Amino acid sequence: SQQGEEDPQALSIQEGENATMNCSYKTSINNLQWYRQNSGRGLVHLILIRSNEREKHSGRLRVTLDTSKKSSSLLITASRAADTASYFCATEDSNYQLIWGAGTKLIIKP
Amino acid sequence: DVKVTQSSRYLVKRTGEKVFLECVQDMDHENMFWYRQDPGLGLRLIYFSYDVKMKEKGDIPEGYSVSREKKERFSLILESASTNQTSMYLCASSSSGQPNEKLFFGSGTQLSVL
Repeated sequence: SQQGEEDPQALSIQEGENATMNCSYKTSINNLQWYRQNSGRGLVHLILIRSNEREKHSGRLRVTLDTSKKSSSLLITASRAADTASYFCATEDSNYQLIWGAGTKLIIKP
Repeated sequence: DVKVTQSSRYLVKRTGEKVFLECVQDMDHENMFWYRQDPGLGLRLIYFSYDVKMKEKGDIPEGYSVSREKKERFSLILESASTNQTSMYLCASSSSGQPNEKLFFGSGTQLSVL
C-alpha cells in the first residue's frame, strides 16, 4: 500500500471556507512535501516540512506534522476557485525513497 | 521562469510501436525523473538520473528505457508499446544536494496505446 495516503479522497467546499486534508504514512521520514496538480497538468510544489518541524506556513497554507501519529495536515484558508485541484503528499523515507500518495481532489464551489 | 518542457501533451500510438517521450529543463538541474500517473495510484517512479549519462531504475522500469546524453534532456523510451502503458507520463527535475526536494514538473504527456 502507499506510504502516503491522503484523506479524504475528495472534498467539496464553498468558496471562502477553509479546506483541510490529511496525509498518513507508515515508516519514519526525513521530510514531507505537499504538491498541487491542476486538472491534466503537472504538479507544483507547495511546501516542505522536515521531520524535526511541527508546523510551517506559506501564504494561505498551513502544514502540520505529527511524527508520533505519522500524519500531516494541509490547511488552505479562505479558499478560492483557483484552489480547485488535486493535492498530493510525498514522503521521503529513511532510505531516501520518495513515496507519493494517491491525492485528495478539492473542489471549491462559487 | 523555470521550466520543464515535455514535447507532447497528447500522444496516440499503436501496440508494438517504439515511443519516445522527450523532456527538457532550463534550470541546470542535475536530477531528472520520469513518473507515470494512473488514477488512484499516485505517482510511480520509472527511471531517474543524477547526472549526464547516468540512469537508475525506479519502481516500475520494465518495458521502459531512458537516455540522458545532455544535462538538460531526459528521454523516456517505450521499446514496444503495450496497452497497459496507456497513462499520464510526468517528467520532473530537481537541483543537486537534495534530489527528492522541491521537484519541478512538466505538464505531462497523456499517452494512449491502442
